[in-house]
Amino acid sequence: DGGITQSPKYLFRKEGQNVTLSCEQNLNHDAMYWYRQDPGQGLRLIYYSQIVNDFQKGDIAEGYSVSREKKESFPLTVTSAQKNPTAFYLCASSPRGFNSPLHFGNGTRLTVT
Amino acid sequence: AQKVTQAQTEISVVEKEDVTLDCVYETRDTTYYLFWYKQPPSGELVFLIRRNSFDEQNEISGRYSWNFQKSTSSFNFTITASQVVDSAVYFCAPNSGGYQKVTFGIGTKLQVIP
Repeated sequence: DGGITQSPKYLFRKEGQNVTLSCEQNLNHDAMYWYRQDPGQGLRLIYYSQIVNDFQKGDIAEGYSVSREKKESFPLTVTSAQKNPTAFYLCASSPRGFNSPLHFGNGTRLTVT
Repeated sequence: AQKVTQAQTEISVVEKEDVTLDCVYETRDTTYYLFWYKQPPSGELVFLIRRNSFDEQNEISGRYSWNFQKSTSSFNFTITASQVVDSAVYFCAPNSGGYQKVTFGIGTKLQVIP
């Protein structure tokens, strides 16, 4: 079955450590996205990528980094510079064209203590 | 600047009632698409419906119906004969960017009471 896989589902880290969230898709979609979701704030865009080896900052990119070395993969690194990293992180993908809906993974809930 | 407003933060209805979710999208763009997504308690967002900025006709698909009024920038989504499985957070998400940038509203939490 085609879809988006995010792993792990739950992740716990100590403050000051970098952590990488995995996102893999087998839908052959060109575009991929990372969103952060906090209670009462909806979804906020962290980074997005339209093609391999290219990505753009979203609204809240500070403290995060990404790579897009393969079409199928778009990992997100939460660095120690991110002041409030505890959140629910959602990865999405879509075909080209802004009339295309997003397809989402199941999300990763990151807790930093 | 673009602005998405979902004024209803939480709605509760009794099962089998109809419920309408409101979304207002303010933009200077003339061409855009509007999407509704559902997020059940499991967390994964699921695409429900799409409408472009040129079409103001009502549409119906099963228990879902939606209409778009460009004059008021309103994109409303109605669930007919609600069911407990409809309980979720619903997001309005316009896209007016050729670079595929989607803006999400803050969501409306719908609770359907049996």
